[in-house]
Amino acid sequence: EPEVTQTPSHQVTQMGQEVILRCVPISNHLYFYWYRQILGQKVEFLVSFYNNEISEKSEIFDDQFSVERPDGSNFTLKIRSTKLEDSAMYFCASSESRPRGSPLHFGNGTRLTVT
Amino acid sequence: TQLLEQSPQFLSIQEGENLTVYCNSSSVFSSLQWYRQEPGEGPVLLVTVVTGGEVKKLKRLTFQFGDARKDSSLHITAAQPGDTGLYLCAGAPLDSNYQLIWGAGTKLIIKP
Repeated sequence: EPEVTQTPSHQVTQMGQEVILRCVPISNHLYFYWYRQILGQKVEFLVSFYNNEISEKSEIFDDQFSVERPDGSNFTLKIRSTKLEDSAMYFCASSESRPRGSPLHFGNGTRLTVT
Repeated sequence: TQLLEQSPQFLSIQEGENLTVYCNSSSVFSSLQWYRQEPGEGPVLLVTVVTGGEVKKLKRLTFQFGDARKDSSLHITAAQPGDTGLYLCAGAPLDSNYQLIWGAGTKLIIKP
């Protein structure tokens, strides 16, 4: 069964450094998402991406965050200057259509640790 | 801010017992999804309910969407150790086409 793959599985970085989290969504999916889950807290929506542009973003997704689909397969999340509070599991997801009627397929996440 | 409250947060029961997990909100959702998440993995979809009052069954799991589309429940009959995991509900809010609002999850442990 097709799956969403994320790399790396664990990223450790120093505060102020830039990180890029990578995802390969399922190939025939059109909608892409980043969610994060701080340890012990709820899953939180960051951003959705459709037709090569951001379709929706949350308050968390400020100017420090950006997303890109540099080619036909990869979907990346960049954090320009990491803060301690950015430490979390970051999940990429994709779906065939909008979440109302189409399930989200999640990757296994990247654990980001900011020191 | 729309919230989904899940209860209980933690449940530990013996194999063979029945249980119900609840997902409640004061807001209406266009649909609601239930996921299961294993440690070190992303959530995996179990079911999507769309219509108020809808009931869906997945083997021993029964999912119900409230008539007003503000709440949902997951009932497990004759729980087995393989049901152990974190169960998450996630709702699609009326004012968004793309995001899901998530509950905090119910950690379920089924003891043999």
